Amino acid sequence: GAVVSQHPSRVICKSGTSVKIECRSLDFQATTMFWYRQFPKQSLMLMATSNEGSKATYEQGVEKDKFLINHASLTLSTLTVTSAHPEDSSFYICSARSRAANEKLFFGSGTQLSVL
Amino acid sequence: LAKTTQPISMDSYEGQEVNITCSHNNIATNDYITWYQQFPSQGPRFIIQGYKTKVTNEVASLFIPADRKSSTLSLPRVSLSDTAVYYCLVGDMGSGGGADGLTFGKGTHLIIQP
Repeated sequence: GAVVSQHPSRVICKSGTSVKIECRSLDFQATTMFWYRQFPKQSLMLMATSNEGSKATYEQGVEKDKFLINHASLTLSTLTVTSAHPEDSSFYICSARSRAANEKLFFGSGTQLSVL
Repeated sequence: LAKTTQPISMDSYEGQEVNITCSHNNIATNDYITWYQQFPSQGPRFIIQGYKTKVTNEVASLFIPADRKSSTLSLPRVSLSDTAVYYCLVGDMGSGGGADGLTFGKGTHLIIQP
């Protein structure tokens, strides 16, 4: 299946710093990428939808100024958690829609963010 | 988006066949049914997708009745490594301009014992 690469896999940062997470589709073009957040023992929660070349669409309750999303190319989307605080600690996962694979969603391996 | 209902957890033993059923009563005409597997601290992994009747691949089968209001993921001869959370998702996968990130339900925590 298609491969979605997500980096870093784990990041620990101090409160107040910004953290950037990258999501790349390695062998396909992804016109749409999605960002999720998952707390321990809970399901994935969609944060935002990112379309190449346009502004991201955020789900209700997700602060767009805190979670900056950039989808500059058909293979790369980034999520920047700005001025991170301990409550932002979570598992962040990206996914990409592969047009070539009957619109299936493929997921990255996730990023565990811990804010001290 | 069609809401899905799955059992919260299931237990089975190595070598058994496991069937996980998902209810999606308000599935729409354009909706596909997709199942994902997730291990702790990993992203979900695609298992199988179908629209109607039966789909089979190297790891699982998906049974969808004619009314499409439910679906059953069948895992043949499970092993300990199949212990994971399984998510049933329903959404419009077929439209070229679709931006549906798919809504994840609570999933089914499958525990395989020796």
